[in-house]
Amino acid sequence: DGGITQSPKYLFRKEGQNVTLSCEQNLNHDAMYWYRQDPGQGLRLIYYSQIVNDFQKGDIAEGYSVSREKKESFPLTVTSAQKNPTAFYLCASRGRVNTEAFFGQGTRLTVV
Amino acid sequence: GIQVEQSPPDLILQEGANSTLRCNFSDSVNNLQWFHQNPWGQLINLFYIPSGTKQNGRLSATTVATERYSLLYISSSQTTDSGVYFCAVGGSAAGNKLTFGGGTRVLVKP
Repeated sequence: DGGITQSPKYLFRKEGQNVTLSCEQNLNHDAMYWYRQDPGQGLRLIYYSQIVNDFQKGDIAEGYSVSREKKESFPLTVTSAQKNPTAFYLCASRGRVNTEAFFGQGTRLTVV
Repeated sequence: GIQVEQSPPDLILQEGANSTLRCNFSDSVNNLQWFHQNPWGQLINLFYIPSGTKQNGRLSATTVATERYSLLYISSSQTTDSGVYFCAVGGSAAGNKLTFGGGTRVLVKP
């Protein structure tokens, strides 16, 4: 099946621990994105990458890090510096500029 | 960056009613998408519509890029239409990223 796979679906971590969220796509898309959604809110951009080995900060990058070593993969690390990490995280990908973006099913992260 | 405002923020409909959702944006855009977020959080693509009009079943959308707005029409609403509808836009000056509006929460009552 073609698409975007995020794992795990639910993730629980203790405060102060780093955690890495996985996002894999087999759509041969160049661009990949990470968004954060808080309850009752819209989506806010954390990081995005337009090509392998390159990425840019979005609107709320503090406390997060990413890598883009392979075209198919764009993992997001939520570090202990992120003050309010509990949220719903969504990954997306898109092919060429000005084409449709598609989203994965999301990861719900709870930090206790 | 581009600002995106959606209205109304909340909408309650009786099954069978029609409705219009609006998305206003602050700058010229090359990309515009409408999504439906289901109760499990999945974002479902509805339309990719940077300009013009499209229809898919009971849903249709129109974007007037020169006036910086887009409309999503829901006709003969069903309970399965409930959820949150998001508009997302991208402009040439914004690279390849999408900026989301705050969403319209729709509840269709039987």
